[in-house]
Amino acid sequence: EVQLLESGGGLVQPGGSLRLSCAASGFTFSSYAMSWVRQAPGKGLEWVSTITGSGGSRYSADSVKGRFTISRENSKNTLYLQMNSLRPEDTALYYCATYLVAPTGAHDHWGQGTLVTVSS
Amino acid sequence: DIQMTQSPSSVSASVGDRVTITCRASQGIGTWLAWYQQNPGKAPKLLIYTASSLQSGVPSRFSGSGSGTDFTLTISSLQPEDFATYYCQLANSFPLTFGGGTKVDIK
Repeated sequence: EVQLLESGGGLVQPGGSLRLSCAASGFTFSSYAMSWVRQAPGKGLEWVSTITGSGGSRYSADSVKGRFTISRENSKNTLYLQMNSLRPEDTALYYCATYLVAPTGAHDHWGQGTLVTVSS
Repeated sequence: DIQMTQSPSSVSASVGDRVTITCRASQGIGTWLAWYQQNPGKAPKLLIYTASSLQSGVPSRFSGSGSGTDFTLTISSLQPEDFATYYCQLANSFPLTFGGGTKVDIK
């Protein structure tokens, strides 16, 4: 059974940093691209960033480019999101998800999310 | 970037009703479209991929259609567990933009 467990969320002041983790199990982690998707309170889903299985390619939304960095450690079956220069508008529930390039081009498994609150 | 626009933003329906949700892409995307269901307090769940392919385990009352710029998610006979918010998403082309969502609630 695929399991994704996010951690690392919490309360941080504007301008601060936080690193999220996503521990994966139940599948061959290195074979899957992975994404972070966020959801601000009461709002819709927003794609944040995706990394290929090898880690060789990364893609990010313009809203986080230059501030957030996605990475992975395949030996530990773990995905990361390093978030710097945090802003109040980054407050959201952050989900990690598997991204199946083919045949679906979609996110087929999701974690339960970790909450990030940016506030003074 | 390609924009994804869903309509309506909300719909009220009764158990047994047929419900149709539309997603429009700002430019042609072939069939690279996915649909998700999100129940309150839960993570999203993949329903449909490549516009019309049903994800394993998803009930057959859900169906998707369309290509190019216009897509539709149809629930043929609404069940109590289907009252949720539905999102479309551009697939296989970055940025992986989501539509704004459609909330299906009880009439």
